[in-house]
Amino acid sequence: SAVISQKPSRDICQRGTSLTIQCQVDSQVTMMFWYRQQPGQSLTLIATANQGSEATYESGFVIDKFPISRPNLTFSTLTVSNMSPEDSSIYLCSVIQSGYAGELFFGEGSRLTVL
Amino acid sequence: AQSVAQPEDQVNVAEGNPLTVKCTYSVSGNPYLFWYVQYPNRGLQFLLKYITGDNLVKGSYGFEAEFNKSQTSFHLKKPSALVSDSALYFCAVRVPNRDDKIIFGKGTRLHILP
Repeated sequence: SAVISQKPSRDICQRGTSLTIQCQVDSQVTMMFWYRQQPGQSLTLIATANQGSEATYESGFVIDKFPISRPNLTFSTLTVSNMSPEDSSIYLCSVIQSGYAGELFFGEGSRLTVL
Repeated sequence: AQSVAQPEDQVNVAEGNPLTVKCTYSVSGNPYLFWYVQYPNRGLQFLLKYITGDNLVKGSYGFEAEFNKSQTSFHLKKPSALVSDSALYFCAVRVPNRDDKIIFGKGTRLHILP
């Protein structure tokens, strides 16, 4: 299965700042997603990262707040913009790998704390 | 809209006893079903999946799950629990060819008591 690396693994941020999370996969994947896991909660899909085009956002998430890039088949970034304490969460990069039946593989996550 | 329900927030089982973590789903179409486990401060790890075929699927760490189409359930089971099985477990569903999104249940925290 794919090995997914996320950076940073954790960070403490000030209100009003922005942070970019990187996701690197060791092989080409068909689909990449970004999820948010708020404290004590399940996973919520933020968006599908589309290679070479704009991401597809889920209801409640907008590009201005969570801009996403995917310049190639193995790399994506998620930016959390103008952060507030409500953005304190774990952000997870996940992929569906070709040749697999659609199960997601996850990075270790990026734990953000906004003060 | 497709959805996944995990009716129990927490399940407590004594070590050595069998365990069951429940999951039911609601989708239109033939679902792909998954179980994931999350250990503290870690990402999610894939445990097992049902795509088609035998209703009983086996996965990592001795876990298995039974697909029941009539009850729209996909309960996770293990014959003999270990303390190291204590973690957060997520059931998930995907309907292929329908935007490929995977929807997660809210999670069930499993406590194995020594």
